[in-house]
Amino acid sequence: DIQMTQSPSTLSASVGDRVTITCRASQSINSWLAWYQQKPGKAPKLLIYKASSLEGGVPSRFSGHESGTEFTLTISSLQPDDFATYYCQQYNSYPLTFGGGTRVDI
Amino acid sequence: EVQLVETGGGLIQPGGSLRLSCAASGFTVSRNYMGWVRQAPGKGLEWVSVIYSGGSIYYADSVKGRFTISRDNSKNTLFLQMNSLRADDTAVYYCARGENYFDSWGQGTLVTVSS
Repeated sequence: DIQMTQSPSTLSASVGDRVTITCRASQSINSWLAWYQQKPGKAPKLLIYKASSLEGGVPSRFSGHESGTEFTLTISSLQPDDFATYYCQQYNSYPLTFGGGTRVDI
Repeated sequence: EVQLVETGGGLIQPGGSLRLSCAASGFTVSRNYMGWVRQAPGKGLEWVSVIYSGGSIYYADSVKGRFTISRDNSKNTLFLQMNSLRADDTAVYYCARGENYFDSWGQGTLVTVSS
């Protein structure tokens, strides 16, 4: 199974901050990585797929990058609506696996 | 508009069975990759199962042999039959549509396995 190690687990930030979340795969996943945002009591929302492709309707302050088996989600200028938990997910092979999540709070 | 509505969750005793349904609208279930993802209380996301438009099916090892994913094309509905339920199956179960990742999600249905 491919392990997805996400860091940090919690991140304290302020509105306007640039925020970066990292997800490391235990082996190559060939850019097959998605990022989701989840707010309390709500379903996850797709932000990015194929490591860096922005889902339609997602603000451009969100971006994804990859370097080998390390993937990053960057929020260029944190907005009040962005305080949430973020998950990465690899879909290179089964079983599909998620990172442990990063909670972004004030 | 794509919409997914899960039903069928509830309180069930260990060893019991439950069938979750996911009614879809705005698209055709049989022509799409569909899956189930669960989230235990206060925990992260865990993939459960998927079914491809062509009928291929995959399960997480934790549910293999106990859970069955299926669909009813006439009702445009996805199902998850869950047997031999255990306490660690307690979670919110989401159905989702996608392309190995998931671009549309339902609101989830809570399954609580407890005596």
